[in-house]
Amino acid sequence: AQSVTQLDSQVPVFEEAPVELRCNYSSSVSVYLFWYVQYPNQGLQLLLKYLSGSTLVKGINGFEAEFNKSQTSFHLRKPSVHISDTAEYFCAVIPGGFGNEKLTFGTGTRLTIIP
Amino acid sequence: DAMVIQNPRYQVTQFGKPVTLSCSQTLNHNVMYWYQQKSSQAPKLLFHYYDKDFNNEADTPDNFQSRRPNTSFCFLDIRSPGLGDAAMYLCATSRGEGSADTQYFGPGTRLTVL
Repeated sequence: AQSVTQLDSQVPVFEEAPVELRCNYSSSVSVYLFWYVQYPNQGLQLLLKYLSGSTLVKGINGFEAEFNKSQTSFHLRKPSVHISDTAEYFCAVIPGGFGNEKLTFGTGTRLTIIP
Repeated sequence: DAMVIQNPRYQVTQFGKPVTLSCSQTLNHNVMYWYQQKSSQAPKLLFHYYDKDFNNEADTPDNFQSRRPNTSFCFLDIRSPGLGDAAMYLCATSRGEGSADTQYFGPGTRLTVL
């Protein structure tokens, strides 16, 4: 089984400051890793995903994430945040391969941007 | 734009009164999912369809049922809603070509049980 830990339930950040949202996972098999964003009263939207290859993944809206296998982490970063980044961010994992498409989500991190 | 549509966006029902939530997609994806997301919690998979094949999660209560009459539509039926079933219900789709597929989510239906 897989599990995802997002240690920070809430992260307040000043506008134009950098931010890092932490995600650690546990799995006995190789996994694919995802970050989703959920704006208020909306569904989830994919920010980025790591499948293989380069450990630095770039996504939409200026976000990037780095896969670290030894630390089983997939932290999300943005060098300069905007008010519009205020949202809930979910890290998720899925076992690699075909036939098992169950995403396991973390409990989310609420990012609040302070003007 | 191709998308995942959920109706209604907000649903109020009474304790024990059956309710049906609707999801449709214009992406022509093979897989459709239903997630339950309670306040301040992670989305939790209830079940999914790969084409017509139904896959129920082991811990999904019997109170929850689903139907997929065709590729485009999928319904979530809650036979006797309890107060604990109040949540956001998210529908998602994917092509079904492997675990690397992106899941595309609808905007959700927020269910209130009185």
